[in-house]
Amino acid sequence: KNQVEQSPQSLIILEGKNCTLQCNYTVSPFSNLRWYKQDTGRGPVSLTIMTFSENTKSNGRYTATLDADTKQSSLHITASQLSDSASYICVVSAGDFGNEKLTFGTGTRLTIIP
Amino acid sequence: DAEITQSPRHKITETGRQVTLACHQTWNHNNMFWYRQDLGHGLRLIHYSYGVHDTNKGEVSDGYSVSRSNTEDLPLTLESAASSQTSVYFCASSRTGNEQFFGPGTRLTVL
Repeated sequence: KNQVEQSPQSLIILEGKNCTLQCNYTVSPFSNLRWYKQDTGRGPVSLTIMTFSENTKSNGRYTATLDADTKQSSLHITASQLSDSASYICVVSAGDFGNEKLTFGTGTRLTIIP
Repeated sequence: DAEITQSPRHKITETGRQVTLACHQTWNHNNMFWYRQDLGHGLRLIHYSYGVHDTNKGEVSDGYSVSRSNTEDLPLTLESAASSQTSVYFCASSRTGNEQFFGPGTRLTVL
């Protein structure tokens, strides 16, 4: 069964600090991995997408890494801002082009305090 | 601007009633999806469609149905609402092989 596990479940950090969120997956056949940001009361919004051959991808202050051998990904947030308070969801896609199935993690709830 | 909308945003209904949640996208995407989000679970796929008149069951489809009569809309119907269907429902759309764009969600409470 395809599974995506995220840690920690929740995290509280001071504004301006860095943090790293973790994602482990057992999904086959792997197609790509996405990180989504979900603000309270809103739908998820994509931050990054990584394919098998990509190790690192950045989107502003967000940097995602992927280790396809160990089936682990991380999302690093630099110089956190209050607007970073949200849930961050790791999503892994499996299957062939045009027939992908997504498996969602339960998310990490990040709270930035001033 | 192209977008994906859901209505209503909040709905309270009684057990046994039929409920329909609307989803409308203006991107002309072929693919549309319905998910539910509950505490302790990741988003779970209810139904999906790859084009007009195409519908498929997801992992938690019991008690739900969809129909796709045009590209823009994929309404989700709860035939006889149950308390276990209290949840937040998200609609999403995508082009084949590309990322899914999510709507703002509908919070449904079944009393």
